[in-house]
Amino acid sequence: AQKITQTQPGMFVQEKEAVTLDCTYDTSDQSYGLFWYKQPSSGEMIFLIYQGSYDEQNATEGRYSLNFQKARKSANLVISASQLGDSAMYFCAFGSGNTGKLIFGQGTTLQVKP
Amino acid sequence: KAGVTQTPRYLIKTRGQQVTLSCSPISGHRSVSWYQQTPGQGLQFLFEYFSETQRNKGNFPGRFSGRQFSNSRSEMNVSTLELGDSALYLCASRSTGGSKNIQYFGAGTRLSVL
Repeated sequence: AQKITQTQPGMFVQEKEAVTLDCTYDTSDQSYGLFWYKQPSSGEMIFLIYQGSYDEQNATEGRYSLNFQKARKSANLVISASQLGDSAMYFCAFGSGNTGKLIFGQGTTLQVKP
Repeated sequence: KAGVTQTPRYLIKTRGQQVTLSCSPISGHRSVSWYQQTPGQGLQFLFEYFSETQRNKGNFPGRFSGRQFSNSRSEMNVSTLELGDSALYLCASRSTGGSKNIQYFGAGTRLSVL
């Protein structure tokens, strides 16, 4: 069975600095996707970035980039130039093939300090 | 394009009652997935509907059911509510064309069972 692990329950970062949120996964599937979502205190899950298992390059979306190391089964999220509005819960999620089922990690709470 | 819309945003029910939650997907998205989020269990997949058919089901009792209409709107029903059903219920929609398989979430329905 697939499993997603986020080992950092909480993180602090100074405004304008970069931060890395860790995510490891366990699967025997060949075709899968890894996703990062942001959940502010309002509750809505906001999609940030996607990495496919066959993608050769690391995904980037603005200030977000994904450090994908397939052999190590890790998909860490890097947020550059942190902003106060980045304070939220961040979830890593795994999706296999073309299913509508995502498996989520436990989440990391990020607090950006001014 | 309008995002995923969930109604109502908040609900208070008592044990033994039943509840119906609604989800309108992004226009053109035919797949709708439902998730339950609690502090203890985190985010858990409930089920996915595509073209009015349930495609995947998570590990939840039969009290949790759903359906999808021809316009892709989906409803989730919980019968005989228990205190442990208090949670944030999130629905997500995705386009099944293309390779990225990204799910976009609504703001959620926060259910409190007293």
